Amino acid sequence: ILNVEQSPQSLHVQEGDSTNFTCSFPSSNFYALHWYRWETAKSPEALFVMTLNGDEKKKGRISATLNTKEGYSYLYIKGSQPEDSATYLCAFGPMYSSASKIIFGSGTRLSIRP
Amino acid sequence: NAGVTQTPKFQVLKTGQSMTLQCAQDMNHEYMSWYRQDPGMGLRLIHYSVGAGITDQGEVPNGYNVSRSTTEDFPLRLLSAAPSQTSVYFCASSYGGASRGYTFGSGTRLTVV
Repeated sequence: ILNVEQSPQSLHVQEGDSTNFTCSFPSSNFYALHWYRWETAKSPEALFVMTLNGDEKKKGRISATLNTKEGYSYLYIKGSQPEDSATYLCAFGPMYSSASKIIFGSGTRLSIRP
Repeated sequence: NAGVTQTPKFQVLKTGQSMTLQCAQDMNHEYMSWYRQDPGMGLRLIHYSVGAGITDQGEVPNGYNVSRSTTEDFPLRLLSAAPSQTSVYFCASSYGGASRGYTFGSGTRLTVV
């Protein structure tokens, strides 16, 4: 059983503040780590896919880092805005199973206070 | 470009009934997956496929069947619906599997009474 854990479960942040949250995954048989943004009443949308230890990805005010040796990834949001309110999911892709499946964590629910 | 299309959007079933949730993508993606979403549990993988004619089980496959006769379609069958299968179901597809991001459909909300 693959264990993908995200913390915290929920987060309330003041508009303009920066924040970050964590995804922990098995460090063995690593193939890929995904981050998705999921707004209420919509479908998850891919933010980043990372495959190499030390990878850093950035999209606007959102960035992510990856440490495959210790099995964690951080997602950072700089200067939070109300439109950043969403659930952020990470997903781990193991090397086996034809490198095709990804297993999701339960998400971090982010709320931005105006 | 429609992306990933799921039908129906909503469905109510009686215990013991069977039905098929449809999923179609027009992006020529080889990889497709079905997930269910339950409160506090994120997305759990039911079945996945790496191409036409090839399927495999995910984390929670019991009570569900899939087939992949074409690249475009990946239907999910509930054999005998149970209240525990009340959930929101998402279909997703990807060009490169785990090395690329998945594109999700809009979901099917299923209630089993």
